Amino acid sequence: ILNVEQSPQSLHVQEGDSTNFTCSFPSSNFYALHWYRWETAKSPEALFVMTLNGDEKKKGRISATLNTKEGYSYLYIKGSQPEDSATYLCAPYLNTDKLIFGTGTRLQVFP
Amino acid sequence: DAGVIQSPRHEVTEMGQEVTLRCKPISGHNSLFWYRQTMMRGLELLIYFNNNVPIDDSGMPEDRFSAKMPNASFSTLKIQPSEPRDSAVYFCASSLTGGRSYEQYFGPGTRLTVT
Repeated sequence: ILNVEQSPQSLHVQEGDSTNFTCSFPSSNFYALHWYRWETAKSPEALFVMTLNGDEKKKGRISATLNTKEGYSYLYIKGSQPEDSATYLCAPYLNTDKLIFGTGTRLQVFP
Repeated sequence: DAGVIQSPRHEVTEMGQEVTLRCKPISGHNSLFWYRQTMMRGLELLIYFNNNVPIDDSGMPEDRFSAKMPNASFSTLKIQPSEPRDSAVYFCASSLTGGRSYEQYFGPGTRLTVT
C-alpha cells in the first residue's frame, strides 16, 4: 500500500499569516510530485509539478520545495488571503505509473 | 479554451439503472483520466487512456464499470447496473501526455446520486 500523508488535515489562519503544510510520500521509485489546489464546489487545479530533488517552485505568494531522498514536500503560503481558502492536495507519481493523491490539507483563511 | 467538459453535471438515478457519464478533453491533450471522489477514499483513479487506448484500469471497482474512448475528443464512463454505493463525484481530467511531468486539467465533475 502506497502511503501519501498530508499534514495538518486542516488549518485555520488569520488573513496576513504565513502558513505551510507537509506532504510525505515513499521515496523509492519517485518520478514527480504534483500539487493541486481544490476550492469547494470546484475542481482541482494544478499548482506545481516538481521532479528534481531540491526543486523549488513559486507562483505568486505560494511556493513549494521538494526532498526526494527523504520523501517530503512543503507548500508555503506567504501572507494568506481569504481567497487562498481551499484544500491543497499533493500527489506523487511513483512506479505505479499514476498519481496517488493524498487526502489534502484544508486551509481556511479568516479576514 | 473551454477546458475539460463533463456532462451531465448532476445525475440522480435509481438503483439498477444504467448511468453514462461523458467527457470531452482539452483539444490536443492525448491522455485522459477518470477519477472518483468519495468521503471515505478521497480522489482515486479509475482508469486512464493514452492516445485513446486504455492503459491502466486497475482502479475500476468491478465489472459494472466500463469506460471507452472512441476518439481523441470523447470518452464515456458507464455504470450498469448502478448501486447506491456508486454515489460520488466523478471527475474527468486530461493532460498533454500520460507522463509524470505534465499537470492534469480537471473537468467540473459529475455528481452522481443513486437511490
